[in-house]
Amino acid sequence: AQSVTQPDIHITVSEGASLELRCNYSYGATPYLFWYVQSPGQGLQLLLKYFSGDTLVQGIKGFEAEFKRSQSSFNLRKPSVHWSDAAEYFCAVGYTGGFKTIFGAGTRLFVKA
Amino acid sequence: DAGVTQSPTHLIKTRGQQVTLRCSPKSGHDTVSWYQQALGQGPQFIFQYYEEEERQRGNFPDRFSGHQFPNYSSELNVNALLLGDSALYLCASSSLRQGESTDTQYFGPGTRLTVL
Repeated sequence: AQSVTQPDIHITVSEGASLELRCNYSYGATPYLFWYVQSPGQGLQLLLKYFSGDTLVQGIKGFEAEFKRSQSSFNLRKPSVHWSDAAEYFCAVGYTGGFKTIFGAGTRLFVKA
Repeated sequence: DAGVTQSPTHLIKTRGQQVTLRCSPKSGHDTVSWYQQALGQGPQFIFQYYEEEERQRGNFPDRFSGHQFPNYSSELNVNALLLGDSALYLCASSSLRQGESTDTQYFGPGTRLTVL
């Protein structure tokens, strides 16, 4: 069955430090991968997506993610974290033709001064 | 260009009651999906509507039903509410673009439902 695993429930980083959030997926075909961010009490905002092509994708707010088929991973990175990045981050996988999107359980990011 | 909108923002109901949540998709989108997000969890797919029909359904009971109107807006109905139905209900809209193999879902702010 298709699934998304985010191994870290929460992560704390210092402002200005680099960030990497892990995501592993299980999907039988070509994966369509997404990262969303959710601030408290808010909906989900799309950070970036991978459909095909270059395995390093750039997103909004200075985020990037790298698709590694051999590791079934799609980790999210940011070189320098800002306090406003504190939020919940969700990795997700989509299906060919649209239909549902499967989400991981999320990683909550805390940023300390 | 308005994004996805949902109403109401918050709702409080008691067990056994029925509730209707509403969603207007992003301009140009023809597909609406509904998700339930319990506290501390990721969104769980309820169902998706396209061309006014339910196209796919997640693992939710028949108490959860929906509708899509000709203008692509949608409603989610939940009957016989249970305490466990308390959650943030998210609507997402999308449209499969020509040449792309899948769509990108854009989410609304959600409706917070509390069942007492």
